[in-house]
Amino acid sequence: AQSVSQHNHHVILSEAASLELGCNYSYGGTVNLFWYVQYPGQHLQLLLKYFSGDPLVKGIKGFEAEFIKSKFSFNLRKPSVQWSDTAEYFCAVNAPGSGTYKYIFGTGTRLKVLA
Amino acid sequence: EAQVTQNPRYLITVTGKKLTVTCSQNMNHEYMSWYRQDPGLGLRQIYYSMNVEATDKGDVPEGYKVSRKEKRNFPLILESPSPNQTSLYFCASRRGGTGSYEQYFGPGTRLTVT
Repeated sequence: AQSVSQHNHHVILSEAASLELGCNYSYGGTVNLFWYVQYPGQHLQLLLKYFSGDPLVKGIKGFEAEFIKSKFSFNLRKPSVQWSDTAEYFCAVNAPGSGTYKYIFGTGTRLKVLA
Repeated sequence: EAQVTQNPRYLITVTGKKLTVTCSQNMNHEYMSWYRQDPGLGLRQIYYSMNVEATDKGDVPEGYKVSRKEKRNFPLILESPSPNQTSLYFCASRRGGTGSYEQYFGPGTRLTVT
């Protein structure tokens, strides 16, 4: 069965610090990978996605993620965080070759950025 | 404005009283889905629908029903709600196909079952 692991549950950073959030998935076939962000009291919004091509994908608000197939990883990065990045971040996977169209989300990482 | 709407946004009910949470999208999306969000568990998919009259179970379908009679609507039905269904529910939609398209999420429905 597919699964997604986000190892950091809570992260606290100061403004301008660099960010890396880990995401690992378990599925050996073709995957579509996503990072979503949920600001306090709001619904989820897409930050970026990977489905083919260049494994380094750039998203909105200066975020990027790198797909490393050999490590089954899709870590999210941002060189310099801002107070407004305080939110919960979710990694998600969809495996079109698995025979289902389910989405599996990780448990989320709560990021707090201190001004 | 392209959006996914859910109603009600907040609901407090009692155990066993049937309820329906509605979801509607105006983007002509084929794929629609329901999730529940619980602290420490992230989002878990309840049901999804690839198109009209085509639904399938997600990871946590027990205690829920869905129907997809029209493309724009995908209601979530709790026939006999129980306290363990207290949660934050999100509806989402996307274009059809194999899944590389972005899902658009509704604003959420906070359900409390006492």
